[in-house]
Amino acid sequence: AQSVTQPDIHITVSEGASLELRCNYSYGATPYLFWYVQSPGQGLQLLLKYFSGDTLVQGIKGFEAEFKRSQSSFNLRKPSVHWSDAAEYFCAVTTTSGTYKYIFGTGTRLKVLA
Amino acid sequence: GAVVSQHPSRVICKSGTSVKIECRSLDFQATTMFWYRQFPKQSLMLMATSNEGSKATYEQGVEKDKFLINHASLTLSTLTVTSAHPEDSSFYICSAVTSNNEQFFGPGTRLTVL
Repeated sequence: AQSVTQPDIHITVSEGASLELRCNYSYGATPYLFWYVQSPGQGLQLLLKYFSGDTLVQGIKGFEAEFKRSQSSFNLRKPSVHWSDAAEYFCAVTTTSGTYKYIFGTGTRLKVLA
Repeated sequence: GAVVSQHPSRVICKSGTSVKIECRSLDFQATTMFWYRQFPKQSLMLMATSNEGSKATYEQGVEKDKFLINHASLTLSTLTVTSAHPEDSSFYICSAVTSNNEQFFGPGTRLTVL
């Protein structure tokens, strides 16, 4: 079955520290991969996406993610976290063809310590 | 990027009444829109696929008579929660698919049923 796993429900980091949020997927077809951020009571904002090409993808707000097909992973990274990065982060996958339905991971809640 | 709006952003209603939520693509046409439901501190669960000019496709376990979807134009889809009950209280998010198959999400609607 198709699935997206975000192993870490909560992560706490200090401001200025580096960050890595994990995402693993199980998908039969060639995947399109996304990372979204959601602030409390808000909708989703796209951070970055991977469709094809360079497996290291740059996004907004200083985030990047690396697609590793052999590990079925698409981990999100940021070298130096800011207090404003505290939010919920969702990894999502969809197929390269068909209905474009997204499957979302369960999310990782990031807390940033001053 | 493409903009998707939702109205209302918040709604409180009495048990047994019906509530309509609108999802609009403001600067593009969308033949496909999606409706998601998000429980507190949980991920987004796809409820249904809204297709312009045809019946919506509901995910397993979603009551189509409870959650009525109408996609009457290329820029508007509506979700009507009929005979709402407290267990229908949730955060409802829509998304719209662009011509190059990217999804853009609305800001969400917080429904509270008393």
